[in-house]
Amino acid sequence: NAGVMQNPRHLVRRRGQEARLRCSPMKGHSHVYWYRQLPEEGLKFMVYLQKENIIDESGMPKERFSAEFPKEGPSILRIQQVVRGDSAAYFCASSPIQGYEQYFGPGTRLTVT
Amino acid sequence: GDSVTQMEGPVTLSEEAFLTINCTYTATGYPSLFWYVQYPGEGLQLLLKATKADDKGSNKGFEATYRKETTSFHLEKGSVQVSDSAVYFCALQQGGSEKLVFGKGTKLTVNP
Repeated sequence: NAGVMQNPRHLVRRRGQEARLRCSPMKGHSHVYWYRQLPEEGLKFMVYLQKENIIDESGMPKERFSAEFPKEGPSILRIQQVVRGDSAAYFCASSPIQGYEQYFGPGTRLTVT
Repeated sequence: GDSVTQMEGPVTLSEEAFLTINCTYTATGYPSLFWYVQYPGEGLQLLLKATKADDKGSNKGFEATYRKETTSFHLEKGSVQVSDSAVYFCALQQGGSEKLVFGKGTKLTVNP
């Protein structure tokens, strides 16, 4: 069973561009979580999604950030009009049911120039 | 809000040395506590967990005990190996929430 896949692993964007980060959960997992790790900081929760539903987005910045987890395909974290402060590692995790262990992907490192 | 504080790194040890990585938390109620490990180039992996006071989580020679009186969950291993070199994260999760709250991570390097 393949683990959580994230792509790209590294992404470079200029200020003002859009960034799209993809997360394919483990097979059979219908719960996805996104976390962000800023330099010298711990991972911070951003959003929790189930298929076609956002369950908890209490950690998402109010503007420019959005997330989706469609019925088919990977979960997408979208950052519009990126700024230098968005440079971070973005981790995705998945679980088969609520309250179960979260399995993490290797992360996408976003650099905004 | 809830928070986790873990000792600053990096930590460098010789093989077979004793390891302690301190972790304390601030939270209401009785959260579950976790240690995750991240090897170079990989995602975080759950190392061990404890769900209530005085529980001891253990795995691969690592141990941590949930101490409510000191709000701590220190990670220990009696004899580290080079293969234990990684970043270790302490985390908590409140009951009824899927959100994990992480510490900043502690990088461990074990030299032969």
